[in-house]
Order: sequence, then C-alpha cells, then structure tokens
Amino acid sequence: DVKVTQSSRYLVKRTGEKVFLECVQDMDHENMFWYRQDPGLGLRLIYFSYDVKMKEKGDIPEGYSVSREKKERFSLILESASTNQTSMYLCASSLGQAVNEKLFFGSGTQLSVL
Amino acid sequence: GENVEQHPSTLSVQEGDSAVIKCTYSDSASNYFPWYKQELGKRPQLIIDIRSNVGEKKDQRIAVTLNKTAKHFSLHITETQPEDSAVYFCAASGGYSTLTFGKGTMLLVSP
Repeated sequence: DVKVTQSSRYLVKRTGEKVFLECVQDMDHENMFWYRQDPGLGLRLIYFSYDVKMKEKGDIPEGYSVSREKKERFSLILESASTNQTSMYLCASSLGQAVNEKLFFGSGTQLSVL
Repeated sequence: GENVEQHPSTLSVQEGDSAVIKCTYSDSASNYFPWYKQELGKRPQLIIDIRSNVGEKKDQRIAVTLNKTAKHFSLHITETQPEDSAVYFCAASGGYSTLTFGKGTMLLVSP
C-alpha cells in the first residue's frame, strides 16, 4: 500500500519564523502536491511537482515555496510564517502515468502560527 | 479556471436512508470527476470516480452520476450506515489541469 508520510502531525510556530513541512512517499510516484485545508473552503492547491527539481504554482502559492531535490521528497516552505497560514496542510502523490489519477494523501500537518 | 460548487454543506440522515451530494462545475473541458471521503482525523481517500465517457458508475452502496450537458455530477449513497459519516469532497479536472475540489459536505448518519 502506498505510504505518504508527513513529518509532523502538529506544529506550533511564531510569526516570522521560517517553517519547513516535509513529505515523503515510498511508491516511486512522479507527481507530488501540497494542499491547504480550511473549514468551509475545501482543499486548495498550493504547489505541485511533476518531476524532480520541477515545481508549478497552484491556486494559492503566495507566501509559500517548495523544494523537490529527490523524487520521494517534497517540502513546503513558509519563508516568514503569518497567522493567516494557520491551517491543516496535506501532502499528496500520484503515479504520474496519466494526468487524472488517484491521489494518495498524507495524514496532514496541523500548523498553528502564533 | 475551473470552479466547483458542492451542495449541501451538511447533510443529516437516519441509518438506512439514502444520501445525495451534488456538484456543479464550470469548465466544459473537464473530463474526470472523483469523490474523496475524509473521516474525522483521517486523510482523504478516493471512494469512486467517473470519466466523461460514462454516465453512471456503481460500487456496492455508492454510485456517481454525470450529466455533461448540465455540467453536474452527484454522489449517491444507499442504505447509509454510521461508518458513512465523514466529509465528502467532489472534484473536477480536464486536459492537463490539476483537480479543483468542492468545499465539502459533512454527512452525519444517525443510528
């Protein structure tokens, strides 16, 4: 079974801190995604990557950056955390053989920025 | 870009009743429509999907219907059980675009 692992379940940071959220998948998937989940707003795409060292902006990239140095790892970076970035962050991956494929999600990181 | 509207935002049913969740989409080029279920505190998981060359798809107690002309698709759950209680997300995508998700429906099934 595919495993998408996010390094932290809960994270508390202070305003202005640089924050790293890590995601690792173990099934050699080509595609990886970062979503933000807020009550009443659904799942919104922040960034995605179709290949190593490749990244594309999603719907809400402002205030975020990403890094994909290895195929299995996709990191989300908050350069200077702000209170409006308090949210649940979900990483996902997909095989990459077709555009419209099943997404496998991680368990999520609940980030609180104080 | 694509816009997906999902209704209702909350739905309460009695065990054994049917539940229907509806979604509309805006981009006529969309051709892939998955549904994800997220139980409380858990990760979203794909439960069923449909592509635009099919009008209906069933998997045991769940079914999805698609009306391309009207640009809407629906999730139908029959004989609901308490373990069906969760948040359900619809989504749509087409061509080389990524999925756009609806805002979610919280389904509560009471024993």
